[in-house]
Amino acid sequence: QQPVQSPQAVILREGEDAVINCSSSKALYSVHWYRQKHGEAPVFLMILLKGGEQKGHEKISASFNEKKQQSSLYLTASQLSYSGTYFCGTERAGGTSYGKLTFGQGTILTVHP
Amino acid sequence: KAGVTQTPRYLIKTRGQQVTLSCSPISGHRSVSWYQQTPGQGLQFLFEYFSETQRNKGNFPGRFSGRQFSNSRSEMNVSTLELGDSALYLCASSSGVGARGDTQYFGPGTRLTVL
Repeated sequence: QQPVQSPQAVILREGEDAVINCSSSKALYSVHWYRQKHGEAPVFLMILLKGGEQKGHEKISASFNEKKQQSSLYLTASQLSYSGTYFCGTERAGGTSYGKLTFGQGTILTVHP
Repeated sequence: KAGVTQTPRYLIKTRGQQVTLSCSPISGHRSVSWYQQTPGQGLQFLFEYFSETQRNKGNFPGRFSGRQFSNSRSEMNVSTLELGDSALYLCASSSGVGARGDTQYFGPGTRLTVL
């Protein structure tokens, strides 16, 4: 089942902050965050694992609430280069979904000067 | 290290034809996953291969198939193309099993247009 991202779109001015949320109805093993610019491949930002481990870029922060199966991506002091579509991909815990990512519909982030 | 490469980058086919797309993972990576990306459906998982074995499959018809070779390179094939198959096809590689606890690196994709 596809995770739900919110908001669907957000517009910022340089220097402003934003939070993008990702919510799943299923128990998760991990949440992966990617950013995709128009015409380009998705670029890895962050992995959050069940149990608290995180791997990702230093300037990106995120959280994973295991009880609520929700993750949030925090973009602070936004720059023009942050513009793009942000996707969360979720890996379900257990079963036949080992290693398989299901992606949300994406959040379009636009940063203006 | 060279990134994930996909060939061809663009492809135009007509309905009923078949197509083969290729993906070369990052050196040392044994897992390749394929995704279809469309404006309406977003990023959808097609299948994943690890050490030449298909480990996971998404909800796509049997016209979509794939394989992985001993050097970890992967191909996907779509037979009897339909207009709705027009999409960006992305492959991603990882050192582990699919996305299990590890980063998946995406290639630039193959843009398939079916006329």
